Amino acid sequence: NAGVTQTPKFQVLKTGQSMTLQCAQDMNHNSMYWYRQDPGMGLRLIYYSASEGTTDKGEVPNGYNVSRLNKREFSLRLESAAPSQTSVYFCASRGDFGTSGSVHNEQFFGPGTRLTVL
Amino acid sequence: ELKVEQNPLFLSMQEGKNYTIYCNYSTTSDRLYWYRQDPGKSLESLFVLLSNGAVKQEGRLMASLDTKARLSTLHITAAVHDLSATYFCAVEGSGTYKYIFGTGTRLKVLA
Repeated sequence: NAGVTQTPKFQVLKTGQSMTLQCAQDMNHNSMYWYRQDPGMGLRLIYYSASEGTTDKGEVPNGYNVSRLNKREFSLRLESAAPSQTSVYFCASRGDFGTSGSVHNEQFFGPGTRLTVL
Repeated sequence: ELKVEQNPLFLSMQEGKNYTIYCNYSTTSDRLYWYRQDPGKSLESLFVLLSNGAVKQEGRLMASLDTKARLSTLHITAAVHDLSATYFCAVEGSGTYKYIFGTGTRLKVLA
């Protein structure tokens, strides 16, 4: 089990360039998420996908698009990168645990992509 | 709108001392999570708290949840250097798939 994987690990872009961050999970989870983390701040939700075929905006969706390609994969696209999008991006998936009456949901995070936009 | 506040933001403490990190949230939720993040690394799940009065302990860390007060605490007992990290709480909004994170507490344990 690889868990949640992300590619690339590092990326440098020039303002206006586009790119897609890839995320995949092998835990058969229904829900997947994209977050960004800026220095001194917690994680902020960009987009999420509650199940295959659905996507919804989070707290900071502007400048991003997502695709839930299948149950395993959830990609994040920057169409025209801006310096304000310099950040570390984390993908996560959510599993359901426990038995009837005590089910809980827990997120598992990928290793992150460090993106710099010049 | 769900908001999550943590305090303190920074905590420098001596080895062997005890301290508590606080996590307040603004709307009803009965699911709260604590994570640890080491510098340059991803987030590691520490505790999942599911109901009012829930208490979980792992080593020198103990987490509790008071849903009526909308407050969770992470208590550190007899701190050691290896506990130096940033700790985040996160709240799952009731009936949603969204998680809102606190800003984190950067803990430094001094030898």
